[in-house]
Amino acid sequence: GAGVSQTPSNKVTEKGKYVELRCDPISGHTALYWYRQSLGQGPEFLIYFQGTGAADDSGLPNDRFFAVRPEGSVSTLKIQRTERGDSAVYLCASSLLISGANVLTFGAGSRLTVL
Amino acid sequence: KQEVTQIPAALSVPEGENLVLNCSFTDSAIYNLQWFRQDPGKGLTSLLLIQSSQREQTSGRLNASLDKSSGRSTLYIAASQPGDSATYLCAVWNSGNTPLVFGKGTRLSVIA
Repeated sequence: GAGVSQTPSNKVTEKGKYVELRCDPISGHTALYWYRQSLGQGPEFLIYFQGTGAADDSGLPNDRFFAVRPEGSVSTLKIQRTERGDSAVYLCASSLLISGANVLTFGAGSRLTVL
Repeated sequence: KQEVTQIPAALSVPEGENLVLNCSFTDSAIYNLQWFRQDPGKGLTSLLLIQSSQREQTSGRLNASLDKSSGRSTLYIAASQPGDSATYLCAVWNSGNTPLVFGKGTRLSVIA
């Protein structure tokens, strides 16, 4: 596609529920990144993929968070047993290569609200 | 651990003024530094990317400088316009394959 697409744009859920957030990167981009942005804060790194494999998942806050990219394109961020503190905007980005020389293109984000 | 700080947190200026946004980082072993713009409810738009070997980059009314040894970068906006109102984020890519580390941003308001 022309840009990075994220769905849903807004998700409201209850504490304890399971949530999936989807990211559709730019076609041909091999690297995919997930960030989380809380109100008034900068984006915080969660995980990135090079192809199908998670190259670095050191930013995932705990084992309730998991992400997959089974075919090397679309990625899904999965959050189990959601907590109110998980409320944030989840941003996805993609780039051609895992390299600082490549500009990341961000999606508009998925706003998650946990009641 | 790399930490990125942006000052000021918020800035309000009259239209037409030139302004400077500041960014500092604790670990100078960076691969590059990037400036992004974020509009309310939107994703991030890349403005400028400065490689570690470069001193500055320019795009239109924007000029970003990098002093790697002192851990500082500035984003200069000339002749500000109301359409420049947004949050400006600075991010560094550490040497190696470490993804971008962001500051908290500077929220800019340009008043007509």
